[in-house]
Amino acid sequence: ETGVTQSPTHLIKTRGQQVTLRCSSQSGHNTVSWYQQALGQGPQFIFQYYREEENGRGNFPPRFSGLQFPNYSSELNVNALELDDSALYLCASSLNQLPSTDTQYFGPGTRLTVL
Amino acid sequence: RKEVEQDPGPFNVPEGATVAFNCTYSNSASQSFFWYRQDCRKEPKLLMSVYSSGNEDGRFTAQLNRASQYISLLIRDSKLSDSATYLCVVTIFGNEKLTFGTGTRLTIIP
Repeated sequence: ETGVTQSPTHLIKTRGQQVTLRCSSQSGHNTVSWYQQALGQGPQFIFQYYREEENGRGNFPPRFSGLQFPNYSSELNVNALELDDSALYLCASSLNQLPSTDTQYFGPGTRLTVL
Repeated sequence: RKEVEQDPGPFNVPEGATVAFNCTYSNSASQSFFWYRQDCRKEPKLLMSVYSSGNEDGRFTAQLNRASQYISLLIRDSKLSDSATYLCVVTIFGNEKLTFGTGTRLTIIP
């Protein structure tokens, strides 16, 4: 196990609702990255948090927002849910913010279904 | 053009066979390369990094061709437990994200 945990494991919401997903990073890791994985696709980078600051963002609209807490756990918030937001949401923690030099460890994911 | 392209498969291969996956990337500034393995409904896990000189880990061999912007993964003597989706991943130095391909689905048949 990677030591990265996510909650909840599954979630069902309806269009227009808001959702908050949570991630606890591996002990000692100060960086959390969030990815969205639609069915049949590879994970897509949403954003990264490093020491409580957003440190890079992928091609996702502003209704995707996040937060990192002093203990380096993190939240992903999605407002005004759309059907296409249905996906597996993965968080990954690492020792630093550069995946080229440091392994990212993924949590088990939260499977979100939007009806 | 996608940043990382893979043949989605599926590849159905008999146990004991050798199977090869290919991946191409579009950004010549890509710096680091990886293969991840993802089991059904699970998270991706790092299988191996890929180096210019090529590298081997047991039955797995990874190769990188920077000139052709091409990465490969070879699995020898395949086992039933190798059934999974294999994701090709690249990063650009100084960039904070992993860029994934769509993955290649492999099923090993007894």
